[in-house]
Amino acid sequence: AQSVTQLDSHVSVSEGTPVLLRCNYSSSYSPSLFWYVQHPNKGLQLLLKYTSAATLVKGINGFEAEFKKSETSFHLTKPSAHMSDAAEYFCVVSSSGTYKYIFGTGTRLKVLA
Amino acid sequence: DTAVSQTPKYLVTQMGNDKSIKCEQNLGHDTMYWYKQDSKKFLKIMFSYNNKELIINETVPNRFSPKSPDKAHLNLHINSLELGDSAVYFCASSQDAYASGRADTQYFGPGTRLTVL
Repeated sequence: AQSVTQLDSHVSVSEGTPVLLRCNYSSSYSPSLFWYVQHPNKGLQLLLKYTSAATLVKGINGFEAEFKKSETSFHLTKPSAHMSDAAEYFCVVSSSGTYKYIFGTGTRLKVLA
Repeated sequence: DTAVSQTPKYLVTQMGNDKSIKCEQNLGHDTMYWYKQDSKKFLKIMFSYNNKELIINETVPNRFSPKSPDKAHLNLHINSLELGDSAVYFCASSQDAYASGRADTQYFGPGTRLTVL
């Protein structure tokens, strides 16, 4: 069985400060992990994905995430927040041999000026 | 060129009506999906098709019927609309995860906001 938990429903940061969005997962098999971003009234856009290559994954717009198997975590980080980063972020897990993608409940990121 | 497109973008209708949402992808993907996003932004898989065959049907009421005329299209027809059907519906596509042995990136359409009055 697969599951994903996003530990914070809301995160607020000041512009220029680091961003940390937390995600823990559970998967019976080798997982693929994704982070998607959804800006208001828009569709979902892929930020980055992990599919068993390098454990530190770099994505678009300066975001990166580290796959930690021992901690079953895939936290999303960015060194310096920008106002345009304000959005909803979804962590997603899927296992090989299945068509199911399990979405977390989302983290709303607010960036303060 | 839009990779995954949905029509219409907005749909406002009365309870009891029947409506359809269309989805098309031009990425050459084998697998397509329908998701429902509720007012709390929670995304839940409804259906998945691979090469025109239904592979996931997640306890969705049978008022919802997906149809895939070909690999590039997955339409969603909803009968007897209810207030609780109001949501944003997203179509997505990906390469065949099962054949590749690895879950691939899903590409999402812009969504269809359905409002049932």
